[in-house]
Parts: sequence; structure tokens; C-alpha cells
Amino acid sequence: AQTVTQSQPEMSVQEAETVTLSCTYDTSENNYYLFWYKQPPSRQMILVIRQEAYKQQNATENRFSVNFQKAAKSFSLKISDSQLGDTAMYFCAFRRGGGADGLTFGKGTHLIIQP
Amino acid sequence: DTAVSQTPKYLVTQMGNDKSIKCEQNLGHDTMYWYKQDSKKFLKIMFSYNNKELIINETVPNRFSPKSPDKAHLNLHINSLELGDSAVYFCASSQDWGAGTNEQFFGPGTRLTVL
Repeated sequence: AQTVTQSQPEMSVQEAETVTLSCTYDTSENNYYLFWYKQPPSRQMILVIRQEAYKQQNATENRFSVNFQKAAKSFSLKISDSQLGDTAMYFCAFRRGGGADGLTFGKGTHLIIQP
Repeated sequence: DTAVSQTPKYLVTQMGNDKSIKCEQNLGHDTMYWYKQDSKKFLKIMFSYNNKELIINETVPNRFSPKSPDKAHLNLHINSLELGDSAVYFCASSQDWGAGTNEQFFGPGTRLTVL
């Protein structure tokens, strides 16, 4: 079984700052996917970014990028030029490849962007 | 043009009642899921269905029964509701075979309150 750990229950930064959310995971699988989901107060789950384990290049989506360290089993999310609308719960998630597995989620980090 | 829809969005009921939550996806995906998010925001997979067949059934009381009448629908029926069933229930879908991206698309969630 795999586990996902997010060690920061809450973080607060000023608008326009850069913030990094940490995530570590444990698995014996070689084929897997990692995701960051955002959940604003509306409770909708929104995919922020995804990373295939077989890809060495870190994924980037506009202001969002990841630092994927496969050997260390680390998958941190960096948000650049943070905006008020980035205030939300952020969940790191793991999924085994090649099947219909569900996502294994971390406990989440509540990110607050201060004006 | 909603991708994954759930009804109802809110459900308030008495202990001991039986209730259902409906989920529909119009993305043509072959796999659908139910997740439970507890009061501490922790998300956990409950069930996974692929082409109307049950793939995953995590440790969930047998009072919970998923039913998939066709590939686009996955309903969740709960018998004899208990206080501890109060949570937000999310339906999700993904395309896992062929050229699927493995991304899971979530519905808006159903907040169930058992009194």
C-alpha cells in the first residue's frame, strides 16, 4: 500500500510571494502518477498539475511547478507570484499506473494568501 | 456542459434512513469512483468501477452499495444511516485505458448530514 504525507497543515504568505508546499510518498511501485489538487471554499476539486513517474522533467503549468525527486520520493509544489485566488486546501495525491485505482491523498495543506 | 454532476448537492436526513446519491459523467470515461471527505478534510477512496464492474471496494461498511446502471452513471446507496456517515461524498471519473491521461475529474460533491 502507498502513503502520502503532507507535513504542513497550514501555510500563510503575502500576495505575490512564492510558496512551496511539500509532499512525500512511499511506494514500491515503479509506474505511477502524482497529482496536486486544489480545493477552494466552493469544495470543488480542481487539478493543478500532474507528473508521470517515468518522466524526469518536472511538470509546469503557468505559475505552478513541481520539484519531483523520484529517489527521495518527494513531490513539492511551487506557486510563484501567489494570488488571493490561490487560497485553498491543496492535496497531494498518488495513483498507481496501469489500472483503475483510486487516488491516495495526503491530509492536505491549507494555504492562505494574505493581501 | 457539466463534466461530472452529482445530485443532490446537500442532503440532510435522520439516523436510520436510507438515501441515494446520483452521479453522472458525460466525458465518455470508462472508470468512475466514490470518495468520502471527512470533517478533517481527509479524502479516501471508497469504490472504483470500470465499465460497470466493481474494481475496488475499500474497507467500507456493507450499508454502502454502489450501483452502476451504465458506464456514465455510478450511484451510491446508503442504508441505515449513522451519525458517522456525515461527510462530503465526491464522485469522480477517469479514462484509464488506451490514451487515457489518468487524471480524475471530480463532481461538485454532496454534503450529507445525518441528524
